[in-house]
Amino acid sequence: QQQVKQSPQSLIVQKGGISIINCAYENTAFDYFPWYQQFPGKGPALLIAIRPDVSEKKEGRFTISFNKSAKQFSLHIMDSQPGDSATYFCAAIDAYSGAGSYQLTFGKGTKLSVIP
Amino acid sequence: DTEVTQTPKHLVMGMTNKKSLKCEQHMGHRAMYWYKQKAKKPPELMFVYSYEKLSINESVPSRFSPECPNSSLLNLHLHALQPEDSALYLCASSQDSGFSGYNEQFFGPGTRLTVL
Repeated sequence: QQQVKQSPQSLIVQKGGISIINCAYENTAFDYFPWYQQFPGKGPALLIAIRPDVSEKKEGRFTISFNKSAKQFSLHIMDSQPGDSATYFCAAIDAYSGAGSYQLTFGKGTKLSVIP
Repeated sequence: DTEVTQTPKHLVMGMTNKKSLKCEQHMGHRAMYWYKQKAKKPPELMFVYSYEKLSINESVPSRFSPECPNSSLLNLHLHALQPEDSALYLCASSQDSGFSGYNEQFFGPGTRLTVL
């Protein structure tokens, strides 16, 4: 079963704090791991992504940490702001698998609320 | 232009109606997608078009009929829907590099469909 397990389901963080969302996968064929951010009434938008040959990727306040041996990856949002309040989906894809290269496997999502 | 547009934003239809959802992109992408998203759930892939040909159909009921008239347009024709088909329908597009790696999927804002 191709699954990506995401936790927590919801997260409340104070402004300025660190938000951490965790994901775990089973399919070792996955070779690309994007995170999507979705605001209410909007479509998901790519936030940051990582390949399994890299242990960490940072873009501004957003960092992905990747542990290939544990098959886990996480999103850290530093200095969280109320504008970061959204639903975050981790995803995984087997980017070189033919038709599978179109098929994102999403986690179930984390609703983040950053309170002032 | 890095935008995927979708019309209409909202649609209410009865179970006997026929309606269509429209999606347009002008990024030169050759892969286009339809997703269904229920509340508090991740997007579920329905269809993928690659170079205007249907590449993936995720066992979607025949009451949903996709059409790709040209490389910029994607339609989803709806007929005899059920109340459980009420959801946010998302269109996405991406470069299509022939299975040679992940290409970011750009999502539209979606059409909120209600079936009475």
